[in-house]
Amino acid sequence: AQKVTQAQTEISVVEKEDVTLDCVYETRDTTYYLFWYKQPPSGELVFLIRRNSFDEQNEISGRYSWNFQKSTSSFNFTITASQVVDSAVYFCALSVTNTGNQFYFGTGTSLTVIP
Amino acid sequence: DAGVIQSPRHEVTEMGQEVTLRCKPISGHDYLFWYRQTMMRGLELLIYFNNNVPIDDSGMPEDRFSAKMPNASFSTLKIQPSEPRDSAVYFCASSFQGLPSYTFGSGTRLTVV
Repeated sequence: AQKVTQAQTEISVVEKEDVTLDCVYETRDTTYYLFWYKQPPSGELVFLIRRNSFDEQNEISGRYSWNFQKSTSSFNFTITASQVVDSAVYFCALSVTNTGNQFYFGTGTSLTVIP
Repeated sequence: DAGVIQSPRHEVTEMGQEVTLRCKPISGHDYLFWYRQTMMRGLELLIYFNNNVPIDDSGMPEDRFSAKMPNASFSTLKIQPSEPRDSAVYFCASSFQGLPSYTFGSGTRLTVV
């Protein structure tokens, strides 16, 4: 069975602070993909990143960085120098090839950046 | 590329009425997914199609829900009769050859009163 856990339901930070959103996943498949999506107050799901199970390299994109560790089944997301525009709900998701690549979403972490 | 297009963006209907949500996937994509988002259950898969054929509808909550994909460029999700507990945001997504390059539509916010 596939499962994604985002233990942090809500996080509040003051602008310019760094914040890390945690994601732990479960799967017995060896080939899978992990994603992060952002859902701003407007409601759409905005793709942020995709990693496959064979690529554990960390990635940095501007103020965003991702730490993928298979040993701990974690795919954490860090926002550096947070901004008010980062306020949103962030979803981690798992996709497994042998189930048609349907997504298994975590419950989301609501991030509020206080000016 | 216009992306995945869903209509309507918002729908308010009375309990017992039929509701039809529409989705136009990205041209060339052969997988189409319908998801529902609620506060209680989060984002959950309802059904997905491959080459217009329903592959897994185990997430469809009950017989009041039905989905069709008559051609590669159009899908509908129908609820008949609608109930207040169906109030949610319904997302459509498409992908190519099952590759996890999902593109979600903007969603339809359904309110059943």
